[in-house]
Amino acid sequence: QSALTQPPSASGSPGQSVTISCTGTSSDVGGYNYVSWYQQHPGKAPKLMIYEVTKRPSGVPDRFSGSKSGNTASLTVSGLQAEDEADYYCGSFAGNSNAVFGGGTKLTVL
Amino acid sequence: EVQVVESGGGLVQRGGSLRLSCAASGFTYWMGWVRQAPGKGLEWVASVGQDGREKYYVDSVKGRFTISRDNAKNSLYLQMNSLRAEDTAVYYCVRDRGYYSFESWGQGTLVTVSS
Repeated sequence: QSALTQPPSASGSPGQSVTISCTGTSSDVGGYNYVSWYQQHPGKAPKLMIYEVTKRPSGVPDRFSGSKSGNTASLTVSGLQAEDEADYYCGSFAGNSNAVFGGGTKLTVL
Repeated sequence: EVQVVESGGGLVQRGGSLRLSCAASGFTYWMGWVRQAPGKGLEWVASVGQDGREKYYVDSVKGRFTISRDNAKNSLYLQMNSLRAEDTAVYYCVRDRGYYSFESWGQGTLVTVSS
């Protein structure tokens, strides 16, 4: 159950797009279409932003989108806004009824 | 909106025990616990199926933690025994919308294991 790999940081200016990657293996990210993304502001609980690779829960802006290629999933935030500055975590079903998260990426809006 | 409220955290000595509770609305789902050590990332801890029979754990807590639920009380529990310093974390109760996509989170309850 090794953690998924995310870059520790990412940044972009307001209005720009930024993409955060999440690399796993064929036993988790690559093996299933069950990748999710979470946003966490300081001192707050995480919030589900994307599930099943590309789906957005009700209320999540369509500026947030997800994709996957092979063992790497990606979260793209378009039209960056100040409130998007937060930590972002990916998660994946890992088979054998287990789950694994990435180490997190701190997104800074410049 | 789903309401999730955890309780039961606190300070405990290494080797001790603690029981976390979670009250949640919309309880007919898989439920679980996710923890976050101070300044660290998220770690899935355990999940339980709708009827309480299926239970799964991360390797590091197997044999020490037990997840359970009482559907009549809309409540989820985590019995934690033989606690270690590395179990120190904020523990979140989560509702699973399917295949470990955690859609509802409580505010978390802090567990501190002192050595």
